[in-house]
Amino acid sequence: DTAVSQTPKYLVTQMGNDKSIKCEQNLGHDTMYWYKQDSKKFLKIMFSYNNKELIINETVPNRFSPKSPDKAHLNLHINSLELGDSAVYFCASSQEVLGEAARSYNEQFFGPGTRLTVL
Amino acid sequence: QKEVEQNSGPLSVPEGAIASLNCTYSDRGSQSFFWYRQYSGKSPELIMSIYSNGDKEDGRFTAQLNKASQYVSLLIRDSQPSDSATYLCAGPSGGYQKVTFGIGTKLQVIP
Repeated sequence: DTAVSQTPKYLVTQMGNDKSIKCEQNLGHDTMYWYKQDSKKFLKIMFSYNNKELIINETVPNRFSPKSPDKAHLNLHINSLELGDSAVYFCASSQEVLGEAARSYNEQFFGPGTRLTVL
Repeated sequence: QKEVEQNSGPLSVPEGAIASLNCTYSDRGSQSFFWYRQYSGKSPELIMSIYSNGDKEDGRFTAQLNKASQYVSLLIRDSQPSDSATYLCAGPSGGYQKVTFGIGTKLQVIP
């Protein structure tokens, strides 16, 4: 019944390793996101996909590569992990909805997060 | 310039009081805003959305949007210790379906 799920919940690894985080949503949403929340708790967007197409690509090192095999899944692969990559990574999904005066908005729903610790 | 600004707090209120959380934004064209609640160690949870000027009430929560002054607020009536969390304000950020989040205000409700 989980709307947005992520695996793994915790990831502890050594510097230089490569790791992946997986995300799945069963809400039928068209858009999925990856966010990073650092130790200061600031939530920053990294990537967004709409129907498997990359639409948001913030200033993120190219060691981070997202992949969306279908609109219900968005994975994040990280190469050559660094100490500064330690953070909580959240996946989210949203659907565009038309509101007042035909303006659109979207409400984002978050997964439980993956706490990545790089040693 | 940050697009959405919040005071990080902590904001302490006694149980039963009204907690008032505020957020300002820079984009005059912004039409939709969201309040998320995040408990420590958990993910952000959407609690209120507001799309038009004025107030929107849902139970003990009231969201207020003032486009002329470019601020959004969240009022929590009859605050409970279980309301203690960080409250994140979010607004549109120019990109398609992109929102930007404020730093979050930590609320502590004292029993």
